[in-house]
Amino acid sequence: QSVLTQPPSASGTPGQRVTISCSGSTSNIGTNAVNWYQQLPGTAPKLLIYSTTQRPSGVPDRFSGSKSDTSASLAISGLQSEDEADYYCAAWDASLDGYVVFGGGTKLTVL
Amino acid sequence: QVQLQESGPGLVKPSQTLSLTCTVSGGSISSASHYWSWIRQHPGKGLEWIAYIYYRGIIYYNPSLKSRVKISVDTSKNQFSLNLSSVTAADTAVYYCARRSGSSTFDSWGQGTLVTVSS
Repeated sequence: QSVLTQPPSASGTPGQRVTISCSGSTSNIGTNAVNWYQQLPGTAPKLLIYSTTQRPSGVPDRFSGSKSDTSASLAISGLQSEDEADYYCAAWDASLDGYVVFGGGTKLTVL
Repeated sequence: QVQLQESGPGLVKPSQTLSLTCTVSGGSISSASHYWSWIRQHPGKGLEWIAYIYYRGIIYYNPSLKSRVKISVDTSKNQFSLNLSSVTAADTAVYYCARRSGSSTFDSWGQGTLVTVSS
């Protein structure tokens, strides 16, 4: 059971806008930045969004992140077939001595 | 551009210690801005953070694994290592090393190495 909760699956057709949610608590998303990772099949995860809303160099602006209270969202606009992947949210959790928590992942299917 | 590469046995017997090394190239492990991390992924499952270490020896652990984890850094070799003791089949996973640039921001990853725990 992951500390951050994501829907196990999401889908959309090419060109559509899709959002993936990530729900946490005051000890993680409520007080810390959220990061998103994209994992294409058979590859290592790749940083997609950092500090809740920032895109690393090379990540298309079709990807955007946001946060409200204890929930975060990843939005993908202009969906493309190459966006089919697993997406994970992550945050620092300040409980105990502090540690990194991940969501369980969302498998995005492009129909 | 920094690159990370995991190395170590792909098969470990139950109750033994899993040992992996991550070699960092294209950048210094003594960077003031980064921690160095281990993250694993059970087959078909999500990501689980294990621990990360600063080159000066500051370490943060996943509380659920802390009692079995030892993480260390060798600045002379530009490497860091993971030892996970008393392994069981539940420790079978792909193990990734990664560079941390923010509290939960991992901006560079190794390709991952599958470690199977089996007799």
